[in-house]
Amino acid sequence: GDSVTQMEGPVTLSEEAFLTINCTYTATGYPSLFWYVQYPGEGLQLLLKATKADDKGSNKGFEATYRKETTSFHLEKGSVQVSDSAVYFCALVNTGGFKTIFGAGTRLFVKA
Amino acid sequence: DTGVSQDPRHKITKRGQNVTFRCDPISEHNRLYWYRQTLGQGPEFLTYFQNEAQLEKSRLLSDRFSAERPKGSFSTLEIQRTEQGDSAMYLCASSPPTAGGGNEQFFGPGTRLTVL
Repeated sequence: GDSVTQMEGPVTLSEEAFLTINCTYTATGYPSLFWYVQYPGEGLQLLLKATKADDKGSNKGFEATYRKETTSFHLEKGSVQVSDSAVYFCALVNTGGFKTIFGAGTRLFVKA
Repeated sequence: DTGVSQDPRHKITKRGQNVTFRCDPISEHNRLYWYRQTLGQGPEFLTYFQNEAQLEKSRLLSDRFSAERPKGSFSTLEIQRTEQGDSAMYLCASSPPTAGGGNEQFFGPGTRLTVL
């Protein structure tokens, strides 16, 4: 079945460091890919998405590119801030479907 | 506030009791989803409604679980004869009427269930 694998956390970085959180997926069709973020004490919210191969999603300085050849959707940010501390979830929705398959989440701590 | 709301936010119950959770989606959204999230894991899909029709159910949704969306607006998730393994965060999400699955899902704050 469809699945998402993302790097284990926690990831601890200093402010202004470069962030990469790896995500790979397995899907039988052509899924849409998402990154959701959960800030402390808040609900899940969409960070960015890409719906077809080679699309780049971006928001709030975060980027991720849909790579079909490597079945990956890695999340990157050039300079993290303390306010980026949260849990990040990679997810997919397969073609013609509506249920979202989530990875286990990666907790990010950013130190001042 | 026009986001997805869930009630209650926290529920503590004894093993064997029945519990019911409510979800109110964003008003113009016709699709509604239930997920379960345990500590350190991502949300796991339970079930999905389009309007009042329940179109997909996960195998995780045992016969002790039932979900309804009678008028295509709010939804309820009932767990009968609760077990300690049911302790989790139950998340509701909704999405607008668009073709395909590339649409964003909007999540509520969740109901945290603790079964003693």
